[in-house]
Amino acid sequence: QKEVEQDPGPLSVPEGAIVSLNCTYSNSAFQYFMWYRQYSRKGPELLMYTYSSGNKEDGRFTAQVDKSSKYISLFIRDSQPSDSATYLCAMRDSYSGAGSYQLTFGKGTKLSVIP
Amino acid sequence: DAGITQSPRHKVTETGTPVTLRCHQTENHRYMYWYRQDPGHGLRLIHYSYGVKDTDKGEVSDGYSVSRSKTEDFLLTLESATSSQTSVYFCAISNTGELFFGEGSRLTVL
Repeated sequence: QKEVEQDPGPLSVPEGAIVSLNCTYSNSAFQYFMWYRQYSRKGPELLMYTYSSGNKEDGRFTAQVDKSSKYISLFIRDSQPSDSATYLCAMRDSYSGAGSYQLTFGKGTKLSVIP
Repeated sequence: DAGITQSPRHKVTETGTPVTLRCHQTENHRYMYWYRQDPGHGLRLIHYSYGVKDTDKGEVSDGYSVSRSKTEDFLLTLESATSSQTSVYFCAISNTGELFFGEGSRLTVL
């Protein structure tokens, strides 16, 4: 079983729809969770950064973490064609002081928002 | 955008030639990373650095070396490029656990 599982899609939705993107993970030590957006031929861009369980909202985006189920979600409200991109989840455990921050990434879900 | 510049952005080279990719940051972040991104594999860590002259291997380090002689620069070298190293390479920086990525360097090895 891979550490982080993410449905690759593609996911196609009409403009204005609510989008739900999800990742599951197996390592119970993960405490920090991130969502990145990657446009075609661009670098990943950090969208949301959350710690432990709960919700975090930023504009049309809501990140949700359920550590008991080892499940994280990204919701996009009122989706726009400009949201068309690949969304990557990422997570890590607490910094141990040795080495560096090591993220484990999902493989990404490709989203298309159709006008 | 975080102040990260990757060069070159595109490169085509032949098997067996050496290649160096450069990552330059203006953010004074302590940690720097090199990833490669391939279809079906996602982002995979090649090498990382936790300070000047302090580097370590990631999960796919074979065939790659790195150097960091200044805080702002992190070099990735392919000593003898192979076709399996055709990929998009991303540099990332971090200070507090969130990673910020550069725009990528697309390398084709013929």
